[in-house]
Amino acid sequence: QSALTQPASVSGSPGQSITISCTGTSSDVGGYNYVSWYQQHPGKAPKLMIYEVSNRPSGVSNRFSGSKSGNTASLTISGLQAEDEADYYCSSYTSSSTLEYVFGTGTKVTVL
Amino acid sequence: QVQLVQSGAEVKKPGASVKVSCKASGYTFTGYYMHWVRQAPGQGLEWMGWINPNSGGTNYAQKFQGRVTMTRDTSISTAYMELSRLRSDDTAVYYCAKILIAAAGTGFDPWGQGTLVTVSS
Repeated sequence: QSALTQPASVSGSPGQSITISCTGTSSDVGGYNYVSWYQQHPGKAPKLMIYEVSNRPSGVSNRFSGSKSGNTASLTISGLQAEDEADYYCSSYTSSSTLEYVFGTGTKVTVL
Repeated sequence: QVQLVQSGAEVKKPGASVKVSCKASGYTFTGYYMHWVRQAPGQGLEWMGWINPNSGGTNYAQKFQGRVTMTRDTSISTAYMELSRLRSDDTAVYYCAKILIAAAGTGFDPWGQGTLVTVSS
């Protein structure tokens, strides 16, 4: 199973909006509404930001939103803040028979 | 609150095995699949597999089949991941992560704090 494709880096100024893409295939992203997004600060464990394409867990800011079109999912961060600077990973369910997952390559978000 | 606490860092020689533990608290341990994910230094996240704490059933990523074994002890709400025949490229931080909702396909939350496994001669 190949990793999902994300841009290596995305940057934006405080207050701006940025979007991170996550491209897979019809066997993963395009085949299921089970895309998740994780935020990871250096030296810390990943934190779930979005699940099932567009749902936010309790406690996650509504500045984070998710969507999907075809084989590409997207995470949008609006009103960019300094604390949003981190690595972001998408993940998708890949098999309904064996319950497997695959992660994206990761995107470094820099707040200018 | 829901919490996963992992065992401490390990240093192993090539060819050896390592067993990482993940103690759960704050929820019904047998009600949610537990997943294992690793991250090599400076690299991305890699899904390794899951265990159903209720039945003990497992599924491993093809890359790790034959080398990984996931088990659990329901009496102490603890999941384990054992990786054998270690190589230098198994050096990584290993995370356990609980499925958010008791339904297939959803996200992982929370995650353990991670366990650094270093493989070096």
